[in-house]
Amino acid sequence: GENVEQHPSTLSVQEGDSAVIKCTYSDSASNYFPWYKQELGKRPQLIIDIRSNVGEKKDQRIAVTLNKTAKHFSLHITETQPEDSAVYFCAASNDNQGGKLIFGQGTELSVKP
Amino acid sequence: ETGVTQTPRHLVMGMTNKKSLKCEQHLGHNAMYWYKQSAKKPLELMFVYNFKEQTENNSVPSRFSPECPNSSHLFLHLHTLQPEDSALYLCASSQDEGAETQYFGPGTRLLVL
Repeated sequence: GENVEQHPSTLSVQEGDSAVIKCTYSDSASNYFPWYKQELGKRPQLIIDIRSNVGEKKDQRIAVTLNKTAKHFSLHITETQPEDSAVYFCAASNDNQGGKLIFGQGTELSVKP
Repeated sequence: ETGVTQTPRHLVMGMTNKKSLKCEQHLGHNAMYWYKQSAKKPLELMFVYNFKEQTENNSVPSRFSPECPNSSHLFLHLHTLQPEDSALYLCASSQDEGAETQYFGPGTRLLVL
């Protein structure tokens, strides 16, 4: 089955710097890759997602890139702000697995003012 | 946010108790999910329901019993739990079962004594 590895587990940056979180997956059939943000004590919320027919997607300060050959995808946050501090989860899924999202271990991002 | 709601938000129970967690979605979705989120671990999928039918049981112990009376409601019945079952239990829904966006509820923080 699918396995998703996420790195780093913790990341600390200064406000205004960029942050990059990387995930690798094992199942080459995976075709959907969402990223969720979970603030302390709150529910995970989708911030951006990408499908395998696209190599990059951007939404304001966040972007996701996908390398299908290498089976890895990354989240990029530019101009970080303290409110970006949260735990970020990547996930992978494919239509053959139904709704089964396989999540990475999570990255705790801390943005210091 | 009121798209996916869960009750109770917090629950403390003894190992011999029986309790139920409730999830309700107001998004008109057809698929619903139960996840377990433990500290320092990825989100673990427990059950998937699509059009009220269970389509996934991810090797969950029988002390967890799901029920889906209709596409808008999902229950998780708990009995004779163990302390290691203490975790945040998250409900999610998506339009259909497939590789697409899942929307999470706020979760129930469960402590088993």
